[in-house]
Amino acid sequence: SAVISQKPSRDICQRGTSLTIQCQVDSQVTMMFWYRQQPGQSLTLIATANQGSEATYESGFVIDKFPISRPNLTFSTLTVSNMSPEDSSIYLCSVSSGRGREQYFGPGTRLTVT
Amino acid sequence: QQQVKQSPQSLIVQKGGISIINCAYENTAFDYFPWYQQFPGKGPALLIAIRPDVSEKKEGRFTISFNKSAKQFSLHIMDSQPGDSATYFCAASKGSRLTFGEGTQLTVNP
Repeated sequence: SAVISQKPSRDICQRGTSLTIQCQVDSQVTMMFWYRQQPGQSLTLIATANQGSEATYESGFVIDKFPISRPNLTFSTLTVSNMSPEDSSIYLCSVSSGRGREQYFGPGTRLTVT
Repeated sequence: QQQVKQSPQSLIVQKGGISIINCAYENTAFDYFPWYQQFPGKGPALLIAIRPDVSEKKEGRFTISFNKSAKQFSLHIMDSQPGDSATYFCAASKGSRLTFGEGTQLTVNP
């Protein structure tokens, strides 16, 4: 499976600011995804990061709040904009090579908004 | 609408016992059913997965049982060990979009 890293691993941010989370994979992958996991809860898909085109967002998530970039086949960013305490969560990227259906997750970014 | 329901929410098992976690789904279009294991502070790790054309898949101590007509699938952990203590998530997908269950916190007592 691919080795996935995320930066930062954790951050504490002020209300109203924005944070950009990076996801780097050690090999080219077909698909990259961003999930949110609120403390003690399950994972919810935010969007699919498409290379060379706009991300595909799930119901309840919008581009203005969670802009996503994917400039190449190994890198993606998720920005959490105009943060509020309700945005405190773990943000996870995952990847799929496309050959199978397997998705592999990065270590996550733990965000606390004060 | 929760499309994948997982139970129990928490489970305590003695070392050497069998841990069983159950999931039920609603969308008959789902065609891929993975299980993930997550330790505190880590991302979920893919454990084992099954497609609906088989009723059982085994990898080491982990077995998935799948009942297509009942729209249910379960994870069995044989000879459970304290190192298996973690949160387990079932998931289902049609295409690439995974829908996760609520998670089961497993504790294996020594």
